[in-house]
Amino acid sequence: ETGVTQSPTHLIKTRGQQVTLRCSSQSGHNTVSWYQQALGQGPQFIFQYYREEENGRGNFPPRFSGLQFPNYSSELNVNALELDDSALYLCASSLVTRTQGTQYFGPGTRLLVL
Amino acid sequence: AQKVTQAQTEISVVEKEDVTLDCVYETRDTTYYLFWYKQPPSGELVFLIRRNSFDEQNEISGRYSWNFQKSTSSFNFTITASQVVDSAVYFCALRGNYGGATNKLIFGTGTLLAVQP
Repeated sequence: ETGVTQSPTHLIKTRGQQVTLRCSSQSGHNTVSWYQQALGQGPQFIFQYYREEENGRGNFPPRFSGLQFPNYSSELNVNALELDDSALYLCASSLVTRTQGTQYFGPGTRLLVL
Repeated sequence: AQKVTQAQTEISVVEKEDVTLDCVYETRDTTYYLFWYKQPPSGELVFLIRRNSFDEQNEISGRYSWNFQKSTSSFNFTITASQVVDSAVYFCALRGNYGGATNKLIFGTGTLLAVQP
């Protein structure tokens, strides 16, 4: 069974740039959630994708957007990067049927915005 | 509003000591789920346990045990005979009854556990 994978592992960008982070969900899972974890804090929910549509969103501006593909992999896009976007970005996948399943996390992408 | 509080920021113990990590939650939902995750220095969140709000039976798994008490809104985690490999940040998380497929977790701020040899 393949776990959740994310790419790249590290990324350095400058203010104003755009970034795309990628996530492959665990085998058999149909839902992907993205979280932002600032240094010393707990992860904060950005949004979730289910059946290729956004299904739930946290308190993040529209410049945070995403996609889910038919194979359930996902992308997180952030436009107009700000210094405060520097964080660990975690992707989690789960199986949603009649109930929501446990989320399993990938290793994360560390983004540094200069 | 939903909230998870982990009052212990850092705990340091010597190997083989028992240690309890505290978690207090707030929710108005009657059905909810509680989780513990471990985050080693590598960054990946490792799932440890999930409990449903209607199941207050406490659980022991090897050196780990969990004490869920709805009356005090607490879901504490105990490691018996701690080992250096237990050193990590531990997060308690809450998922409310959102309906549909929404699967949002509310995390506490984490407790950094350092186990000294």
